[in-house]
Amino acid sequence: QSALTQPASVSASPGQSVTISCTGTSSDIGCYNYVSWSQQHPGKAPRLLIYDVDKRPSGVSIRFSGSKSGNTASLTISGLQAEDEADYYCTSFTTSTTLVFGGGTKVTVL
Amino acid sequence: QVQLQESGPGLVKPSETLSLTCTVSGYSISSGYYWGWIRQPPGKGLDWIGSIHHSGNTFYNPSLKGRVTMSVDTSKNQFSLRLSSVAAADTAVYYCARVPHTCPGDCFLHYLDFWGQGTLVIVSS
Repeated sequence: QSALTQPASVSASPGQSVTISCTGTSSDIGCYNYVSWSQQHPGKAPRLLIYDVDKRPSGVSIRFSGSKSGNTASLTISGLQAEDEADYYCTSFTTSTTLVFGGGTKVTVL
Repeated sequence: QVQLQESGPGLVKPSETLSLTCTVSGYSISSGYYWGWIRQPPGKGLDWIGSIHHSGNTFYNPSLKGRVTMSVDTSKNQFSLRLSSVAAADTAVYYCARVPHTCPGDCFLHYLDFWGQGTLVIVSS
């Protein structure tokens, strides 16, 4: 199975917004609304930010939002803060009954 | 609060079998959910290994070509991973996680909500 495609890095200044794209195929993102996003700080385990395309778990800031159009999902971080500097991964369920990750995107707060 | 903790040898010789266990606290494995293993080679991204239900039903990443076996021990509230014929490319931090799902007929794995802290496994002679 091929990994989902994410940009390697994005950057913005504090207070600005960034959007990370995650492109798949009609066999994963395009087929199901089972797209999730996780945040990973260096040396730490991933933390769930968004599930089922646009739902936030309890305790996750409203600054994080998710969406999907066709074969592409997106994560938007609004009001960027220094603590948002981390790696972000998208995940999707596939028609092969597997989970597939994106390659990860490093967010840098300038 | 659901907590997961990986355990197992941190060093495995090439061609041998990697064995890891994930101990779950704050939730009974028998109550539901799939449970999964994910790995992350040093400096690289995440890779899904597979998932198991307490019933024993499993889904594996086909890229691992039959080297993976997962099992559940409900009496200990644990699930385990065995990866055979390891090579240097299997060196990674291995994570376990809980996997919400639905099975209206076929099963759909939704996402990974609670993760363990991860354990580094190095494959080297």
